[in-house]
Amino acid sequence: GDSVTQMEGPVTLSEEAFLTINCTYTATGYPSLFWYVQYPGEGLQLLLKATKADDKGSNKGFEATYRKETTSFHLEKGSVQVSDSAVYFCALSEPNQAGTALIFGKGTTLSVSS
Amino acid sequence: DTGVSQNPRHKITKRGQNVTFRCDPISEHNRLYWYRQTLGQGPEFLTYFQNEAQLEKSRLLSDRFSAERPKGSFSTLEIQRTEQGDSAMYLCASSPLSLGANEQFFGPGTRLTVL
Repeated sequence: GDSVTQMEGPVTLSEEAFLTINCTYTATGYPSLFWYVQYPGEGLQLLLKATKADDKGSNKGFEATYRKETTSFHLEKGSVQVSDSAVYFCALSEPNQAGTALIFGKGTTLSVSS
Repeated sequence: DTGVSQNPRHKITKRGQNVTFRCDPISEHNRLYWYRQTLGQGPEFLTYFQNEAQLEKSRLLSDRFSAERPKGSFSTLEIQRTEQGDSAMYLCASSPLSLGANEQFFGPGTRLTVL
């Protein structure tokens, strides 16, 4: 079945450092891809998404590009802030079936220090 | 705030007791989902409603679990005869019928501890 694999954390960075969190997926078709973020004590929030190959999702300085050839959707940010400390989840869903479940990776914890 | 709300936020119960959680989705969102998240893992799908109809159920949803969404508004998730393995965060999400790419909006979750 479909699955998502994320790099294991925790990832510990200093403020203004460059961030990459790797995500690869396995799917039978061409899924939509998402990054969700979970701040301490809060629910999951959608950070960005991409629905087809070569699409780039971006939000709050974060970016991820849908790479069909490498089945990847790596999350990047050029300069992290302390407020970016959170758990980041990569997820996919089957195309054109908006009612189906999101399949999540295990999550990657990011800790940014000043 | 008109986001997804869940009650209670925390529940501690003894093994063998029944528990019920409630989810209030964003108004006018037709789709409602339940997920379970254990420590160090991503959320896992449990079940999905479109309006009042329960359209999908995961194999994770044993016969001790039941979910309802009467009138297509709020939803409840009941766990009967709880076991220690049921301890987890239970997440609810909703999405509108018209929004593409299955974008779901999550509530804060109900953390269940079974002693």
